[in-house]
Amino acid sequence: KAGVTQTPRYLIKTRGQQVTLSCSPISGHRSVSWYQQTPGQGLQFLFEYFSETQRNKGNFPGRFSGRQFSNSRSEMNVSTLELGDSALYLCASSSTANTGELFFGEGSRLTVL
Amino acid sequence: QQQVKQSPQSLIVQKGGISIINCAYENTAFDYFPWYQQFPGKGPALLIAIRPDVSEKKEGRFTISFNKSAKQFSLHIMDSQPGDSATYFCAASWNTNAGKSTFGDGTTLTVKP
Repeated sequence: KAGVTQTPRYLIKTRGQQVTLSCSPISGHRSVSWYQQTPGQGLQFLFEYFSETQRNKGNFPGRFSGRQFSNSRSEMNVSTLELGDSALYLCASSSTANTGELFFGEGSRLTVL
Repeated sequence: QQQVKQSPQSLIVQKGGISIINCAYENTAFDYFPWYQQFPGKGPALLIAIRPDVSEKKEGRFTISFNKSAKQFSLHIMDSQPGDSATYFCAASWNTNAGKSTFGDGTTLTVKP
């Protein structure tokens, strides 16, 4: 069974640009969550999507947005990039059985110059 | 407000020793407490998890001890090996909100040969 796939793995952007990250969850998983990981702030919850609907949202500005498609694949977008947005963005999927376990991808490393 | 506090930030243990990482939570609504292990360049992966109806869970060399009254839980790694060197995160969530997990800041474990 394939794991969670995130693309791109690495990207470099400049301030003011926007970026779109993609995530393909494990087959059959309908919940997709996004987390921002930085050395200073640890893993911070961004948002969760379930069946194309945003189910939960973390404390991030409106520049951070996401969506989920009918095949459960998800994208997140960050507009007007700031230096502080440099981070590893992790996507995680979980099953509808609500076992509590998150399956993470390897992340997309964003560097903002 | 940080809802899950993890300590220590870093830990160095000799091969064969016991590694102990502690976490404390604030929200008594949490009912799922997992530990994730993350290697460099990889996403976190579930190591072991516990629910508040038990005080201890053991899987191989890994044990979670849970103290509901103190709102604390800890990870014990017995017979620590160099391959255990990684960053460990404790987390907490509501079972029905697994996608929205709250993570500790992480502990970097180094096991010296």
